[in-house]
Amino acid sequence: AQRVTQPEKLLSVFKGAPVELKCNYSYSGSPELFWYVQYSRQRLQLLLRHISRESIKGFTADLNKGETSFHLKKPFAQEEDSAMYYCALSLLNTNAGKSTFGDGTTLTVKP
Amino acid sequence: EAGVAQSPRYKIIEKRQSVAFWCNPISGHATLYWYQQILGQGPKLLIQFQNNGVVDDSQLPKDRFSAERLKGVDSTLKIQPAKLEDSAVYLCASSLGGGNEQFFGPGTRLTVL
Repeated sequence: AQRVTQPEKLLSVFKGAPVELKCNYSYSGSPELFWYVQYSRQRLQLLLRHISRESIKGFTADLNKGETSFHLKKPFAQEEDSAMYYCALSLLNTNAGKSTFGDGTTLTVKP
Repeated sequence: EAGVAQSPRYKIIEKRQSVAFWCNPISGHATLYWYQQILGQGPKLLIQFQNNGVVDDSQLPKDRFSAERLKGVDSTLKIQPAKLEDSAVYLCASSLGGGNEQFFGPGTRLTVL
């Protein structure tokens, strides 16, 4: 069965510092990887997906199939980046596209 | 466009009572998901519909939980009878298809006393 692991429950950095939120997955097929974000009092929403290879709000994530990782990075954190971040995996080799979420990392960016 | 709608937003019941949640997905979205999110954990997929058919319900506790998606649009999730451990936020999401970006509703916070 597929699994997504986010090893850090809490991550705190100062404004302007680099930030990396870790995500590891276990699945032997072809996964689609996502990062979702939930800002305070807002809905869960997509931040980025690996297939689009976009940079959203300064965040990037690279899929490393060898290490089965999809870490989220930003070179200079901003206070408005403080939020809950979830890594998620969807299966591409089935019609279901079944999704699995990690338990999330709470990022706090201090002024 | 209008987002995913859910109701009620909050519900408090006693154990062994029944409860139902409603979800209206984004128009045209074929895939609908119900998740259970227990405090401190990530969303756990309970059931996934493709139009009005179930494509995954492997983590749905079928002895007490049921869900349906009539006419491939709105969906209801029911718990009967509720247990204390069912206290959680129940999230509904929809997407154009499986594996695509999911759009989430605001969730229903259920407290079972």
